[in-house]
Amino acid sequence: AQKVTQAQTEISVVEKEDVTLDCVYETRDTTYYLFWYKQPPSGELVFLIRRNSFDEQNEISGRYSWNFQKSTSSFNFTITASQVVDSAVYFCALSDYTGNQFYFGTGTSLTVIP
Amino acid sequence: GAVVSQHPSRVICKSGTSVKIECRSLDFQATTMFWYRQFPKQSLMLMATSNEGSKATYEQGVEKDKFLINHASLTLSTLTVTSAHPEDSSFYICSAKRQNTGELFFGEGSRLTVL
Repeated sequence: AQKVTQAQTEISVVEKEDVTLDCVYETRDTTYYLFWYKQPPSGELVFLIRRNSFDEQNEISGRYSWNFQKSTSSFNFTITASQVVDSAVYFCALSDYTGNQFYFGTGTSLTVIP
Repeated sequence: GAVVSQHPSRVICKSGTSVKIECRSLDFQATTMFWYRQFPKQSLMLMATSNEGSKATYEQGVEKDKFLINHASLTLSTLTVTSAHPEDSSFYICSAKRQNTGELFFGEGSRLTVL
């Protein structure tokens, strides 16, 4: 069965610290997609990244980076030099290759303290 | 980029009334749209999948008579919460799957408060 686990419920860091949000997934599919979304207090989901199961290259986008390790079924997200505006709930998600089955983790609430 | 718009973003209604939430894909056609519900400090739970021109597929435990979903066109799906009660108060989010690419885009969400 498909499942996404975000073990960290809440994290607090001081501004400028680096922080890593963990995501572990389970799936029997060989082709699947992994996502990260940011949900600020206003509620909308902000798309951050989509990665397909065949692409294990790590990705960096500004202060954000993602580490996809198929061997450990993990797709961790690191924010470097965190800022107050990074405070939000972050969701990791998994979908099948059709995109019709979408599974969200329980989210990690990140608070960046000035 | 592709945009999915939900309306209204916030709605307050009295118990017993019905509320309609619209989900529109603004610059692409979506054969499939999804409706999610999110309780405070919890994850998004899929309620139903709607395909244009056909009946929605509801997840287990979701009352189809309570949450009416209509996907009348390739750019619009509606969720109607019928005879709303305070326990229906929640944040409802839709997503739309782009027809040719399969990419998924989320709406901004609609916060329903039933008094």
